[in-house]
Amino acid sequence: DAKTTQPPSMDCAEGRAANLPCNHSTISGNEYVYWYRQIHSQGPQYIIHGLKNNETNEMASLIITEDRKSSTLILPHATLRDTAVYYCIVRLPNAGGTSYGKLTFGQGTILTVHP
Amino acid sequence: GAVVSQHPSWVICKSGTSVKIECRSLDFQATTMFWYRQFPKQSLMLMATSNEGSKATYEQGVEKDKFLINHASLTLSTLTVTSAHPEDSSFYICSARVGRGFSYEQYFGPGTRLTVT
Repeated sequence: DAKTTQPPSMDCAEGRAANLPCNHSTISGNEYVYWYRQIHSQGPQYIIHGLKNNETNEMASLIITEDRKSSTLILPHATLRDTAVYYCIVRLPNAGGTSYGKLTFGQGTILTVHP
Repeated sequence: GAVVSQHPSWVICKSGTSVKIECRSLDFQATTMFWYRQFPKQSLMLMATSNEGSKATYEQGVEKDKFLINHASLTLSTLTVTSAHPEDSSFYICSARVGRGFSYEQYFGPGTRLTVT
């Protein structure tokens, strides 16, 4: 699976949009971009995923560049409860065998939302 | 939907004893579940992939005889830490795969914090 690069930390004011970047310059054509977040001492929470088109759901928007070498997760109106570690993961849909497209977590971005 | 539970949420055990952690998919069937371990201030590390009715696939460096995984049904996978030692103290998290084919999600349990004294 392609490696991703994220800034180690970011700050955001409550109520403002949080834009979290992710570089994945070695992504291959059939790899998806996934975003998860982990609030302290909890299991990761799925946020959104996409292949090449921009995606939006009730939690966030995912913007993938045309060359697919980078993406941005947008939390439109950040709240204090959005403070968490955000992980950008690129993976194959099915690795075959018994791996089934396992997720490999990097260090992520620590997002701190301030009042 | 797609809720994954773990039990217990935390456990303290003495060195040399075994501890079993359960992972359940509450409202869906999961043919594939994953077990992760997370040490303080570190990221999640995949330990093994568990497929219903077959032997688990362990990541390199993970001792399969120490971390026994059983995935006997489509809604339950268990991780048993055998002869636990203080260095096994960690946050253990399971996840279950939902969906098939080229687009699916993984949903994670709340984690189990193991402390070995």
